Order: sequence, then structure tokens, then C-alpha cells
Amino acid sequence: AQSVTQLDSQVPVFEEAPVELRCNYSSSVSVYLFWYVQYPNQGLQLLLKYLSGSTLVKGINGFEAEFNKSQTSFHLRKPSVHISDTAEYFCAVSPYNNAGNMLTFGGGTRLMVKP
Amino acid sequence: EPEVTQTPSHQVTQMGQEVILRCVPISNHLYFYWYRQILGQKVEFLVSFYNNEISEKSEIFDDQFSVERPDGSNFTLKIRSTKLEDSAMYFCASSDSLGPQYFGPGTRLLVL
Repeated sequence: AQSVTQLDSQVPVFEEAPVELRCNYSSSVSVYLFWYVQYPNQGLQLLLKYLSGSTLVKGINGFEAEFNKSQTSFHLRKPSVHISDTAEYFCAVSPYNNAGNMLTFGGGTRLMVKP
Repeated sequence: EPEVTQTPSHQVTQMGQEVILRCVPISNHLYFYWYRQILGQKVEFLVSFYNNEISEKSEIFDDQFSVERPDGSNFTLKIRSTKLEDSAMYFCASSDSLGPQYFGPGTRLLVL
């Protein structure tokens, strides 16, 4: 079984400041890792994914995340945020190399970008 | 860009009534999923579906739930006798063999 912890339920930040949203996971097997974003009144949009290879993954909208196996973390970063980045961000994992498996989500982090 | 669609966007029903939530997955995807998100809580897995049968389900997915792919494009979630605690946002998702899951916009279900 897998579990995902997002340590911060809310992160307020000023526009153009850098931001890091933290994600830690627990799993008895290797996992794929994902970040999804949910804008107000919308569905979940894939931001980025780690399946294999380089541990630094770049996604849409200038976001990137780094997989750290020893610390079982997959923190999301952006060097300079915009007002439009205000949304809920979800970290998720699924078991490695097993098609069709469930995603286990963290509780989400609400990013609030202030002018 | 292909996307997952869901209908209706909102559904209000009386406790004990049956509801059917509909989804059209991305056309070349083979794996289909339902998740739900109760207000203020985590997104929770309900069921996955492949090759016309359930491949995995959670403990939430009890006998009152069923899924079906009635034709080549639709994927449905039926709740036989709704309860107040079924009120949630229901998300459909689809994926190809080992790719990420792509989500629809959700159906907000309110059980009164």
C-alpha cells in the first residue's frame, strides 16, 4: 500500500517569489510520482510526472519537481509564481510498472499567490 | 488536444434514488477509472476498469456501485441507492498502458 503526505495545507506567497510545495510518500514498492493541479471549479490537470530517468522533472507552466528516493520526497518548485498559479496542488503516486493501477493522492496544498 | 469529458456537471438527487454518471475517456486509452473527492477531503480511488472488467476496486466501491462500458466510447458509474454521504465530486480518468491518468472536469453530486 502507498500513502502520500503533503505537509502544508496552505502556502501563501507573493507574486514573483519562489515557492516549494512539499510531498513525501511511503510505499513498499517502487512508484511513479505525479503532481496534479486543480484550478477553482475545474478538474485535475496533470502538471508533471516522474516515471524513470532524470530525477529532475520539468512540467507545464514553469513548474519542476525533484525525486529523492532516499528521502522519499517529490517536492514541487517554481522560481517565480504568478497570480494565475493560485490553485490546489495534489501529489500522487502509483505502483511502478503496473498498468492500470490506482493513484494514491495526498491531501493537497492550496497555493495562494498575493499581488 | 484530446480530453476526458463528463456529464452532467452537476446532479442533485434524493436519498435512495439511483444515479448514473457518464464519462467519455480519451479515445485510444484502454484503462478507465473513477475517483471521488468529498468536500474538504482527499481525492479517493474507487475503481479501475480494463478489458471490460474491473481490475481493482477500493473498499468504498461496495455493492451499491457498479461500472459499465456500454459502448465503444462511454464509461459509466452507477450508484444504485444514493446516501447522503455519497455527496462528492466524482472524477473519471483514463490512461494508456503505462502513461499518466488524465482526468475529466468532474460531476458534482449532491444527495438530499
